[in-house]
Amino acid sequence: GESVGLHLPTLSVQEGDNSIINCAYSNSASDYFIWYKQESGKGPQFIIDIRSNMDKRQGQRVTVLLNKTVKHLSLQIAATQPGDSAVYFCAERTGNQFYFGTGTSLTVIP
Amino acid sequence: EPEVTQTPSHQVTQMGQEVILRCVPISNHLYFYWYRQILGQKVEFLVSFYNNEISEKSEIFDDQFSVERPDGSNFTLKIRSTKLEDSAMYFCASRQQGPLLGTEAFFGQGTRLTVV
Repeated sequence: GESVGLHLPTLSVQEGDNSIINCAYSNSASDYFIWYKQESGKGPQFIIDIRSNMDKRQGQRVTVLLNKTVKHLSLQIAATQPGDSAVYFCAERTGNQFYFGTGTSLTVIP
Repeated sequence: EPEVTQTPSHQVTQMGQEVILRCVPISNHLYFYWYRQILGQKVEFLVSFYNNEISEKSEIFDDQFSVERPDGSNFTLKIRSTKLEDSAMYFCASRQQGPLLGTEAFFGQGTRLTVV
Protein backbone atom coordinates (compact mmCIF):
# COMPACT_ATOMS: atom_id res chain seq x y z
CA GLY A 1 0.00 0.00 0.00
CA GLU A 2 0.91 3.63 -0.08
CA SER A 3 3.35 4.93 2.47
CA VAL A 4 3.97 8.48 3.51
CA GLY A 5 6.52 9.05 6.21
CA LEU A 6 8.27 11.91 7.92
CA HIS A 7 12.01 12.03 8.54
CA LEU A 8 11.92 13.65 11.98
CA PRO A 9 9.25 13.22 14.63
CA THR A 10 10.13 16.45 16.48
CA LEU A 11 11.62 19.79 15.57
CA SER A 12 12.45 22.75 17.81
CA VAL A 13 13.25 26.15 16.38
CA GLN A 14 13.82 29.62 17.76
CA GLU A 15 11.14 32.19 17.14
CA GLY A 16 12.00 34.12 14.00
CA ASP A 17 14.06 31.34 12.46
CA ASN A 18 12.97 29.39 9.41
CA SER A 19 11.63 25.85 9.81
CA ILE A 20 11.93 23.00 7.38
CA ILE A 21 9.80 19.89 7.78
CA ASN A 22 10.49 16.96 5.52
CA CYS A 23 8.39 14.11 4.22
CA ALA A 24 9.05 11.04 2.09
CA TYR A 25 6.40 9.30 0.07
CA SER A 26 6.46 6.02 -1.76
CA ASN A 27 3.61 6.10 -4.27
CA SER A 28 4.86 7.64 -7.49
CA ALA A 29 1.28 7.59 -8.81
CA SER A 30 0.15 10.21 -6.30
CA ASP A 31 -0.83 13.37 -8.12
CA TYR A 32 -1.42 15.79 -5.30
CA PHE A 33 0.22 16.54 -1.98
CA ILE A 34 -0.95 18.55 0.98
CA TRP A 35 0.52 19.84 4.18
CA TYR A 36 -1.78 19.95 7.17
CA LYS A 37 -1.26 21.54 10.56
CA GLN A 38 -2.84 19.98 13.61
CA GLU A 39 -3.02 21.82 16.88
CA SER A 40 -3.73 19.94 20.08
CA GLY A 41 -7.32 18.75 20.26
CA LYS A 42 -8.20 20.01 16.80
CA GLY A 43 -8.64 18.56 13.35
CA PRO A 44 -6.04 18.85 10.59
CA GLN A 45 -6.02 22.28 9.02
CA PHE A 46 -5.00 22.78 5.41
CA ILE A 47 -1.82 24.80 4.94
CA ILE A 48 -0.69 24.46 1.36
CA ASP A 49 -0.86 21.99 -1.49
CA ILE A 50 1.09 21.15 -4.61
CA ARG A 51 0.35 19.13 -7.70
CA SER A 52 2.73 16.55 -9.02
CA ASN A 53 3.43 18.63 -12.14
CA MET A 54 4.97 21.38 -9.99
CA ASP A 55 8.15 21.48 -7.94
CA LYS A 56 7.53 24.55 -5.83
CA ARG A 57 4.62 26.51 -4.52
CA GLN A 58 4.58 29.49 -2.20
CA GLY A 59 1.99 30.75 0.18
CA GLN A 60 2.01 33.25 2.97
CA ARG A 61 5.21 32.47 4.93
CA VAL A 62 5.11 28.88 3.69
CA THR A 63 6.73 27.17 0.74
CA VAL A 64 6.29 23.58 -0.36
CA LEU A 65 8.94 21.87 -2.43
CA LEU A 66 8.37 18.64 -4.29
CA ASN A 67 11.18 16.46 -5.59
CA LYS A 68 9.62 13.64 -7.53
CA THR A 69 12.96 12.08 -8.36
CA VAL A 70 13.56 11.14 -4.76
CA LYS A 71 9.89 11.24 -3.71
CA HIS A 72 10.47 13.96 -1.18
CA LEU A 73 8.28 16.78 0.00
CA SER A 74 9.23 19.62 2.30
CA LEU A 75 7.45 22.45 4.04
CA GLN A 76 9.36 25.61 4.76
CA ILE A 77 7.98 28.10 7.24
CA ALA A 78 9.59 31.52 7.21
CA ALA A 79 10.05 33.54 10.39
CA THR A 80 8.50 30.88 12.58
CA GLN A 81 6.13 32.18 15.24
CA PRO A 82 4.90 30.64 18.51
CA GLY A 83 1.52 30.10 16.85
CA ASP A 84 3.20 27.77 14.40
CA SER A 85 3.78 25.21 17.17
CA ALA A 86 1.76 22.16 16.14
CA VAL A 87 2.05 18.77 14.51
CA TYR A 88 2.52 18.95 10.76
CA PHE A 89 1.35 16.16 8.49
CA CYS A 90 2.06 15.63 4.85
CA ALA A 91 -0.58 13.80 2.90
CA GLU A 92 -0.71 12.41 -0.57
CA ARG A 93 -3.76 11.87 -2.66
CA THR A 94 -4.21 8.82 -4.82
CA GLY A 95 -7.59 8.73 -6.47
CA ASN A 96 -10.00 10.02 -3.86
CA GLN A 97 -8.05 8.83 -0.84
CA PHE A 98 -5.70 10.90 1.26
CA TYR A 99 -2.84 9.09 2.97
CA PHE A 100 -1.20 10.79 5.90
CA GLY A 101 2.30 10.58 7.28
CA THR A 102 3.10 10.11 10.95
CA GLY A 103 3.54 13.80 11.68
CA THR A 104 6.31 16.09 12.89
CA SER A 105 5.85 18.03 16.09
CA LEU A 106 7.14 21.58 15.70
CA THR A 107 7.95 23.52 18.85
CA VAL A 108 8.77 27.19 18.56
CA ILE A 109 10.97 28.50 21.36
CA PRO A 110 10.25 32.15 22.22
CA GLU B 1 -16.06 30.69 6.66
CA PRO B 2 -17.82 27.36 6.06
CA GLU B 3 -16.63 24.49 8.19
CA VAL B 4 -17.20 20.84 8.89
CA THR B 5 -18.90 20.32 12.24
CA GLN B 6 -18.89 17.17 14.31
CA THR B 7 -20.92 16.09 17.31
CA PRO B 8 -20.38 15.13 20.01
CA SER B 9 -16.90 16.38 20.77
CA HIS B 10 -16.37 13.55 23.23
CA GLN B 11 -18.23 10.25 23.52
CA VAL B 12 -17.66 7.68 26.24
CA THR B 13 -19.23 4.29 25.69
CA GLN B 14 -19.07 0.82 27.16
CA MET B 15 -17.49 -1.97 25.19
CA GLY B 16 -20.05 -3.72 23.04
CA GLN B 17 -22.33 -0.72 22.76
CA GLU B 18 -23.27 0.98 19.52
CA VAL B 19 -22.18 4.55 18.84
CA ILE B 20 -23.11 7.00 16.14
CA LEU B 21 -20.76 9.85 15.33
CA ARG B 22 -22.30 12.74 13.50
CA CYS B 23 -20.93 15.17 10.97
CA VAL B 24 -22.28 18.06 8.96
CA PRO B 25 -20.04 18.52 5.92
CA ILE B 26 -19.66 21.81 4.10
CA SER B 27 -22.88 22.35 2.19
CA ASN B 28 -21.67 22.35 -1.42
CA HIS B 29 -19.19 19.51 -0.95
CA LEU B 30 -19.81 16.17 -2.57
CA TYR B 31 -17.11 13.86 -1.22
CA PHE B 32 -17.19 12.85 2.43
CA TYR B 33 -14.68 11.00 4.53
CA TRP B 34 -14.15 9.47 7.92
CA TYR B 35 -10.67 9.21 9.35
CA ARG B 36 -9.48 8.15 12.74
CA GLN B 37 -6.42 8.98 14.78
CA ILE B 38 -5.35 6.82 17.67
CA LEU B 39 -3.59 8.91 20.29
CA GLY B 40 -0.07 9.74 19.20
CA GLN B 41 -0.40 8.05 15.85
CA LYS B 42 -1.07 9.19 12.31
CA VAL B 43 -4.42 9.95 10.77
CA GLU B 44 -5.82 6.80 9.14
CA PHE B 45 -8.32 6.63 6.33
CA LEU B 46 -11.53 4.74 7.07
CA VAL B 47 -13.99 5.40 4.29
CA SER B 48 -14.97 7.78 1.52
CA PHE B 49 -18.51 8.41 0.38
CA TYR B 50 -19.82 9.90 -2.83
CA ASN B 51 -23.18 9.95 -4.55
CA ASN B 52 -24.85 8.22 -1.62
CA GLU B 53 -22.58 5.24 -1.58
CA ILE B 54 -19.20 4.15 -0.29
CA SER B 55 -16.54 4.79 -2.91
CA GLU B 56 -13.55 3.42 -1.02
CA LYS B 57 -12.86 1.88 2.35
CA SER B 58 -9.82 0.70 4.23
CA GLU B 59 -9.11 -2.57 5.99
CA ILE B 60 -10.05 -0.90 9.26
CA PHE B 61 -13.59 -0.33 8.02
CA ASP B 62 -14.94 -3.80 8.71
CA ASP B 63 -18.50 -5.03 9.17
CA GLN B 64 -18.76 -3.25 12.52
CA PHE B 65 -18.64 0.09 10.74
CA SER B 66 -21.24 1.71 8.56
CA VAL B 67 -21.86 5.17 7.16
CA GLU B 68 -25.01 6.91 6.19
CA ARG B 69 -26.19 10.19 4.80
CA PRO B 70 -29.71 10.18 6.19
CA ASP B 71 -30.63 13.60 4.86
CA GLY B 72 -29.12 16.40 2.82
CA SER B 73 -26.82 17.64 5.54
CA ASN B 74 -25.71 14.91 7.96
CA PHE B 75 -23.10 12.22 7.45
CA THR B 76 -22.84 9.60 10.17
CA LEU B 77 -20.44 6.88 11.20
CA LYS B 78 -21.88 3.98 13.18
CA ILE B 79 -19.87 1.45 15.10
CA ARG B 80 -22.17 -1.43 15.98
CA SER B 81 -20.31 -3.12 18.80
CA THR B 82 -17.46 -1.02 20.07
CA LYS B 83 -14.15 -2.52 21.13
CA LEU B 84 -11.49 -1.03 23.35
CA GLU B 85 -9.25 -0.54 20.32
CA ASP B 86 -11.88 1.67 18.69
CA SER B 87 -10.89 4.40 21.13
CA ALA B 88 -9.55 7.19 18.99
CA MET B 89 -10.27 10.63 17.60
CA TYR B 90 -12.60 10.34 14.64
CA PHE B 91 -12.44 13.04 11.99
CA CYS B 92 -14.99 13.79 9.34
CA ALA B 93 -13.84 15.58 6.20
CA SER B 94 -15.39 16.82 3.02
CA ARG B 95 -14.30 18.26 -0.28
CA GLN B 96 -15.73 19.54 -3.49
CA GLN B 97 -15.75 17.45 -6.59
CA GLY B 98 -13.47 18.17 -9.50
CA PRO B 99 -9.77 18.18 -10.33
CA LEU B 100 -9.30 21.91 -10.03
CA LEU B 101 -11.68 23.15 -7.40
CA GLY B 102 -11.60 22.13 -3.79
CA THR B 103 -9.10 19.35 -4.11
CA GLU B 104 -8.13 19.59 -0.47
CA ALA B 105 -10.23 17.98 2.21
CA PHE B 106 -11.57 20.13 5.02
CA PHE B 107 -11.62 18.46 8.41
CA GLY B 108 -13.90 18.81 11.36
CA GLN B 109 -12.69 19.22 14.91
CA GLY B 110 -13.12 15.55 15.63
CA THR B 111 -15.03 13.35 18.06
CA ARG B 112 -12.98 11.72 20.76
CA LEU B 113 -14.38 8.25 21.31
CA THR B 114 -13.42 6.49 24.51
CA VAL B 115 -14.47 2.87 24.91
CA VAL B 116 -14.36 1.58 28.47
